[in-house]
Amino acid sequence: KAGVTQTPRYLIKTRGQQVTLSCSPISGHRSVSWYQQTPGQGLQFLFEYFSETQRNKGNFPGRFSGRQFSNSRSEMNVSTLELGDSALYLCASSFTGEDTQYFGPGTRLTVL
Amino acid sequence: GIQVEQSPPDLILQEGANSTLRCNFSDSVNNLQWFHQNPWGQLINLFYIPSGTKQNGRLSATTVATERYSLLYISSSQTTDSGVYFCAVINTNAGKSTFGDGTTLTVKP
Repeated sequence: KAGVTQTPRYLIKTRGQQVTLSCSPISGHRSVSWYQQTPGQGLQFLFEYFSETQRNKGNFPGRFSGRQFSNSRSEMNVSTLELGDSALYLCASSFTGEDTQYFGPGTRLTVL
Repeated sequence: GIQVEQSPPDLILQEGANSTLRCNFSDSVNNLQWFHQNPWGQLINLFYIPSGTKQNGRLSATTVATERYSLLYISSSQTTDSGVYFCAVINTNAGKSTFGDGTTLTVKP
C-alpha cells in the first residue's frame, strides 16, 4: 500500500506570494491533518479534515486555509506569505482521525 | 489546552546502551503515538499506544493513562537510532494533536 505523499517537496517563494501544498493520503484513510514544524515553535497542528469537512483547527491566522476533496486528497493554502512561514509542512492521514497517524515526507517551504 | 512534556531534551549514548524516554501529558487522552524523525524530516510511526505496553524488536513502550505518562524504551541502541523522538497526543475533549518538544538522541559508535 502506498504511503502518504506530499507535493512539492521543496518550494521557494517571496514575501506576499501565496502557495498551495498537496497531500494524498493512504488509500482508505478519510482523515488528513496538517502540521507546521519550525525550529522555534516545534510541531504545531494546523487543521484536520474528515470527509471534506474541517473538523479541528489549530491557532493559526486566517491566511492558512485548507480543503479536502471527495477522494480524500487535501490541499493547504497560505496567502500573503511572511518570512515566518518558512517551515516544514507535514501532513498525516488516518482512518478516523483518532487512530494511528501516518506522515508524509513533508514540503519544505522557504520564504525570501 | 493539553500540555505535553518530554524528557530528557537531549540524550547522548554509546552504541549498545539502553535508554528510556518519557512523555508526560496534562489531561486525559484517547490517542498517544511515538514517532522517530529522521534527518530528512520524515516522521516514522513507532507505536500507537493510548494505554498498555507494546514491543517491536529493540523498542518497547508503556503508557499509564491514569497517571498521564508514557515511556519509550530503546535497548542495545544503534547509530541508526539517532534522531528526534516525539510523543503526540490527542486530547479526549479537544480532538486535535499536540506534540511534545521531542528528545534528541545521539548514538555514538
